[in-house]
Amino acid sequence: KNEVEQSPQNLTAQEGEFITINCSYSVGISALHWLQQHPGGGIVSLFMLSSGKKKHGRLIATINIQEKHSSLHITASHPRDSAVYICAARGYTSGSRLTFGEGTQLTVNP
Amino acid sequence: KAGVTQTPRYLIKTRGQQVTLSCSPISGHRSVSWYQQTPGQGLQFLFEYFSETQRNKGNFPGRFSGRQFSNSRSEMNVSTLELGDSALYLCASSLGAGVQETQYFGPGTRLLVL
Repeated sequence: KNEVEQSPQNLTAQEGEFITINCSYSVGISALHWLQQHPGGGIVSLFMLSSGKKKHGRLIATINIQEKHSSLHITASHPRDSAVYICAARGYTSGSRLTFGEGTQLTVNP
Repeated sequence: KAGVTQTPRYLIKTRGQQVTLSCSPISGHRSVSWYQQTPGQGLQFLFEYFSETQRNKGNFPGRFSGRQFSNSRSEMNVSTLELGDSALYLCASSLGAGVQETQYFGPGTRLLVL
């Protein structure tokens, strides 16, 4: 069992739909990161969470420390949101070492 | 500020050769981490440097090594290349090495081993 698991692995949506990507982790963490990777490889850090909820534009990330679970929501999805979304957990004692989920390939059709 | 830069962007090598990849962090950032991304294994942590010291190392063989210079630029080296080393190699920099630091990723170096 991976320390960080994401679901679903693939997600296809129509423009305008509300999207949820889930991330579960099995270890104690100091922070949970959500990353976005576009074709070509570049990775952008979207959120870093240690508790509660963060919002940036149409993106919302939540984390439940007790349940070891985080979600990334995209409201009013758009084709430009098509990318791979990756969650990554950082432990308490591992410095800046990140453990990554397998990623969720999101395709938003117009 | 300029972002994280990596050179070269693309590289083709043959088995048995060695390769050196370079990463220049965002100005003022002192921590650099390296990651390998492959279709089969996803993203995996290689190592992390802070102020020229390796603070953390992932589960990779000794063929993978790295270093950081006094200007925070970092290099990673892979010796005796194997086909399985074909991957996207990403570096990320952060201001410090604390657990709450945001990492900023470079565009990656795509290595193909033939």
